[in-house]
Order: sequence, then structure tokens, then C-alpha cells
Amino acid sequence: DAGVTQSPTHLIKTRGQQVTLRCSPKSGHDTVSWYQQALGQGPQFIFQYYEEEERQRGNFPDRFSGHQFPNYSSELNVNALLLGDSALYLCASSSNEYYGYTFGSGTRLTVV
Amino acid sequence: DQQVKQNSPSLSVQEGRISILNCDYTNSMFDYFLWYKKYPAEGPTFLISISSIKDKNEDGRFTVFLNKSAKHLSLHIVPSQPGDSAVYFCAASEMNRDDKIIFGKGTRLHILP
Repeated sequence: DAGVTQSPTHLIKTRGQQVTLRCSPKSGHDTVSWYQQALGQGPQFIFQYYEEEERQRGNFPDRFSGHQFPNYSSELNVNALLLGDSALYLCASSSNEYYGYTFGSGTRLTVV
Repeated sequence: DQQVKQNSPSLSVQEGRISILNCDYTNSMFDYFLWYKKYPAEGPTFLISISSIKDKNEDGRFTVFLNKSAKHLSLHIVPSQPGDSAVYFCAASEMNRDDKIIFGKGTRLHILP
């Protein structure tokens, strides 16, 4: 049973560019949450998707947007990249039957 | 505003001894607490959790203690093993309101031979 799958694993982008990160949740999970983990920090909540809608949002600017597809997979989009967006982006999936998240291995984004 | 605080960035413990990782929180509405473990190049993995209606939860070598009046929880690992070397994140949520999980900054645990 595959866990949470994220792609790509690493990415280098230039300031001002746009990036899309992808996540496939664990089988049986219908909720996807995205986190940003900067170096030396804990994961910071970006937003959560359920039933193809953004259900909750953390303290991140509108440059960060997302989408959830009917198969529960999700995308995180970041526009107008800043150097400070360099971080590990983690996707976590969950379901109503089990409380707690299953995390993917993350996408390491470097903005130069 | 850090709602979940792990004030020790790192901790070194001798193999076989007890490891105690501490966590404080500020939001009195938190009703569910979790510990995650993270190895390099991997995502965090769930370790153990505790509901606010309990003050202790045990799972093998891992025990979590919750002191609601002090807004403090701790993770005890006994005996500590080399494979326990990792970053440990304390996390909390208001499960009755939503299931957004808030993480602390983490504590890096080194198990010494």
C-alpha cells in the first residue's frame, strides 16, 4: 500500500517564477494538507483541501494556492517566487476514520 | 506567535538511558497532542498521541505525559536506542474545531553509544 507520494523530490527555480508541486494521498485518505518547513523550523500549515475545496488556510499570502482533484490528489502552486520560499514542502493526507496525518517525504524547493 | 514550543533544539542521551523531550503550548483550546519523528530526507512519521482527557499514554518504549494545568507535555523513550536518533516534533490541534495540526520547531535527539 503506497503511502503519500510527492513529486518532484527536488526543484530549483528563479525568483519571480511559478512552481507547481504535486501530491498523491495515501490510499483511503480524502484530505490533503500542505506544510512548509524552513531550515531549522517546524512544519508550518499552509492549507488543507477536502472535497476539492480549500477547507482551512494558514498565514500564507495569496501567492500560495492549491487544488484538489476528484481522485483526492492535490497540487500546491506558488507564484512570484521569493528567496524566502526556499523550503521543504510537505504534503500530508488524512481521513475522517483516522485522526492524524501521514506525511510524504517532501519536495525540496530552492529559489535562486 | 508560537503556539507549540520546544525549547531544546537538541538533546544527547546515552544508549540505554531514558530520553525526555519536552513541549509547552499556549493555546488552552488544544485537545489533542501528537509526537512525530523525522529522519533526514523523509517526511515526519507519527509516533504517539494523547487526548486531553488523559494524562498518560504508553506505547512500547514510548510514553507521553500531559500536564494540562501547566500546558506541558513530555515524551519519554526508555531505553533509548541508536535508531531513536532523529528530530522529534511536538504537535497539537483543536480536534473538536478542526483537524489542523500545529507543530513545534523540533528537538534533535542524539543517542550516544
